[in-house]
Amino acid sequence: DIQMTQSPSTLSASVGDRVTITCRASQSISSWLAWYQQKPGKAPKLLIYKASSLEGGVPSRFSGSGSGTEFTLTISSLQPDDCASYYCQQYNSYPWTFGQGTKVEIK
Amino acid sequence: EVQLVESGGGLVQPGESLRLSCAASGFSFSSYTMNWVRQAPGKGLEWVSYITRSGSTMYHADSVKGRFIISRDNAKSSLYLQMNSLREEDTAVYYCARDGYGDGYGVFDNWGQGTLVTVSS
Repeated sequence: DIQMTQSPSTLSASVGDRVTITCRASQSISSWLAWYQQKPGKAPKLLIYKASSLEGGVPSRFSGSGSGTEFTLTISSLQPDDCASYYCQQYNSYPWTFGQGTKVEIK
Repeated sequence: EVQLVESGGGLVQPGESLRLSCAASGFSFSSYTMNWVRQAPGKGLEWVSYITRSGSTMYHADSVKGRFIISRDNAKSSLYLQMNSLREEDTAVYYCARDGYGDGYGVFDNWGQGTLVTVSS
């Protein structure tokens, strides 16, 4: 199985800060990577697919990059509504696997 | 508007069975492959099962293989997960999720609100 490792596990930043979350795959997954946002008690929400394609309706302050084994999710200007956990997911091969998550908090 | 509504969760004892349902609306259910994804309390996400549009092919995670069976009824726009021989480690919120970008693509563009399954003696 492909292991997905996110860092950091928790991140605390101020409103307006640029925030970056890293996701590493245990083997190359080309660009077959998605990012999800999950708020407490809610279902995950798709933000980005194919490493850098923004899902419809998602604010443009979210962006994704990377290929192969290293990927990043960037929030260009952190907003209070962005307090959530973020998960990367590979869909290069079964079983599809998720990272352990990164919790983003506002300072 | 796409809606996925899960039901059927609850408290069961180890070794017992449970059947989850997911009622879909707002889109052509038969045109999409579907999945179950679970999340143990305070933990991350784990993909569980996948089914093709016709229901002819299914994949399951190793952790549930031989115990869980995914199925669908396109006439009823419904997805199911039959869970047998339940274990305490199956305790989780179970989400049904639509595969939004192509058959077996693996990108979950719509999710239900989830249903909680608790396995405990």
